[in-house]
Amino acid sequence: DGGITQSPKYLFRKEGQNVTLSCEQNLNHDAMYWYRQDPGQGLRLIYYSQIVNDFQKGDIAEGYSVSREKKESFPLTVTSAQKNPTAFYLCATHRNFNTGELFFGEGSRLTVL
Amino acid sequence: SQQGEEDPQALSIQEGENATMNCSYKTSINNLQWYRQNSGRGLVHLILIRSNEREKHSGRLRVTLDTSKKSSSLLITASRAADTASYFCATDYSSARQLTFGSGTQLTVLP
Repeated sequence: DGGITQSPKYLFRKEGQNVTLSCEQNLNHDAMYWYRQDPGQGLRLIYYSQIVNDFQKGDIAEGYSVSREKKESFPLTVTSAQKNPTAFYLCATHRNFNTGELFFGEGSRLTVL
Repeated sequence: SQQGEEDPQALSIQEGENATMNCSYKTSINNLQWYRQNSGRGLVHLILIRSNEREKHSGRLRVTLDTSKKSSSLLITASRAADTASYFCATDYSSARQLTFGSGTQLTVLP
C-alpha cells in the first residue's frame, strides 16, 4: 500500500533523553514535513525538506533536529533541549513543493515522564 | 506567523442536519484547504479552493471562499455520526508554499 508510516505510535521518554521519531513514505513525494500538535490546537511546523540532503526550519524548530539522507525517510529527533516535548507529532508529504494537498501519517504521541 | 481561525471551536448537531464551519485568515492566499482529523489520527485532505474560485463541491461538502472578507466556510450536508471529527482550515499564503493551520472546529454529530 502507498502511504506514510510513522513509528512508534506511542513513545515515553524520561527528561534529558533524546528520542527519534521515524517517518517513511513510499509515495515518491519530494517534500516532507514535521508538525507538532498540542491538545485543542492546530498544527505548528517544525521542519520541512524539499529535496534530499536539504531541510529548512519551520516556526518551532528549537530543540528539534532532522535529516534527509533518502527521499523516503525524514526522521525527527526530539532533543533534551526541547523544553516541553509532550505532544502529538505528525509527518506529512507533498507531491512537489508547489501546491496541492498534504498527505499525513497517523502520528506519534510522545509523552515525557 | 499568520493563521486561519475556525469558528465555532465546537459544534454539536443531530444526524441529518447540516454543519457549517467558518475560517478567517489575515493575508492574501494562494489557496485554502480543509482537512479532517479523527481523534488520535492523522489529518485527511478534504478539499482545496484556489484564490480565484468562489465555491467548490465534493460529495456532501461545499466550500466557499470570499477573498474580500478573507474568509471561507465548509458546509457538510445531511451529516452522519461518522462525520464526528475535528475540521481544520489551512492557508497557503507565502512564497515558501507552507500551509498554516487553524486550531480547528470539533464537530460532534449525535445519532
